[in-house]
Amino acid sequence: AQSVTQPDIHITVSEGASLELRCNYSYGATPYLFWYVQSPGQGLQLLLKYFSGDTLVQGIKGFEAEFKRSQSSFNLRKPSVHWSDAAEYFCALLRDNNNDMRFGAGTRLTVKP
Amino acid sequence: GAVVSQHPSRVICKSGTSVKIECRSLDFQATTMFWYRQFPKQSLMLMATSNEGSKATYEQGVEKDKFLINHASLTLSTLTVTSAHPEDSSFYICSAPAGKDTQYFGPGTRLTVL
Repeated sequence: AQSVTQPDIHITVSEGASLELRCNYSYGATPYLFWYVQSPGQGLQLLLKYFSGDTLVQGIKGFEAEFKRSQSSFNLRKPSVHWSDAAEYFCALLRDNNNDMRFGAGTRLTVKP
Repeated sequence: GAVVSQHPSRVICKSGTSVKIECRSLDFQATTMFWYRQFPKQSLMLMATSNEGSKATYEQGVEKDKFLINHASLTLSTLTVTSAHPEDSSFYICSAPAGKDTQYFGPGTRLTVL
């Protein structure tokens, strides 16, 4: 089955602290993986994506993610979180038989002052 | 960059009425578009795949007679929620692929059924 799991429903970090959001996938081959951010009541914004090449992917807003095939993971990281990063974060996988996206359950990020 | 628009952004309707939501690709053609539904504090779930020139394909558990999809042109797909009920209240998001590794999402439509 092609699926994505985000183990953490809610994470709270202090402003300025580092962040890592976990994402695990289930896929038979090399997946196309994405991280999106969603502010309350808003649509999705693409942070970064991976489909081949360098396993460390740089995205917008200072985010990066590392693809680790051995762990079936694609964790999102940021070295220093800003209050404006508070939002819902979704990891997603592109299904190759239909080209639609399978989303994880999402991780809600709260940033403490 | 490519943009996908949705109209309306918000709609409130009475129970039993029908509501149409439009999804447009503004500067590229999309033979396929996807419709997702997001309940409060939940993830996005694929409802159906809209195909230009052919019938939409629906995910298991989604009623095709209730959620009518029409892919009228290479830039427009519409989702009509027929005989809406309060449990249909949700955030509806469409997307259109522009190549294998690129999907553009619309801003979403908030439907509230009273």
